[in-house]
Amino acid sequence: GIQVEQSPPDLILQEGANSTLRCNFSDSVNNLQWFHQNPWGQLINLFYIPSGTKQNGRLSATTVATERYSLLYISSSQTTDSGVYFCAGEPGRRALTFGSGTRLQVQP
Amino acid sequence: GAGVSQSPSNKVTEKGKDVELRCDPISGHTALYWYRQRLGQGLEFLIYFQGNSAPDKSGLPSDRFSAERTGESVSTLTIQRTQQEDSAVYLCASSLGTGMQFFGPGTRLTVL
Repeated sequence: GIQVEQSPPDLILQEGANSTLRCNFSDSVNNLQWFHQNPWGQLINLFYIPSGTKQNGRLSATTVATERYSLLYISSSQTTDSGVYFCAGEPGRRALTFGSGTRLQVQP
Repeated sequence: GAGVSQSPSNKVTEKGKDVELRCDPISGHTALYWYRQRLGQGLEFLIYFQGNSAPDKSGLPSDRFSAERTGESVSTLTIQRTQQEDSAVYLCASSLGTGMQFFGPGTRLTVL
């Protein structure tokens, strides 16, 4: 099956710092999404981004579908950004395949 | 409803017992999905419903797992004869057609 690789696996930032999270897919996917899983386990939709670039406040995402990767940018990080960030895509079927996540800790 | 809801939020059971987990999708969403998340890991797909039928059950780990959906709304995931390795958070998601999936808060299952 398709492999979804996320990097880095763990990231510690000081409040106010910027970061880039990466997601690589071993094959083409549809309906690529980014999620934030908060400390209570809730998966929060960040971006639905099959291709192109989108921005939402301090977050933005870029997907280059032809090269099978996506990037999530976090600017001016805050402690509330802490948690696990997942990317996921549908590899030709109606079920998301998830990466193993990037665990982010933002320190005050 | 406003979002996907799941019940119970927590379930502790003894090995060998059956459990039922419930998912209420967002009103009007035709597609419904079940996933499982083991501690510290990503999500694994279990089963997908389009309407009341399940065209993809390929993620169900064994015949102890089954799911149904009625009225193109509520879905129930049943695990028979639970084992300790079934302990995980079970997450439900729904989508309108082929678009973005929205997730519920999950049911944390602990099998003693």
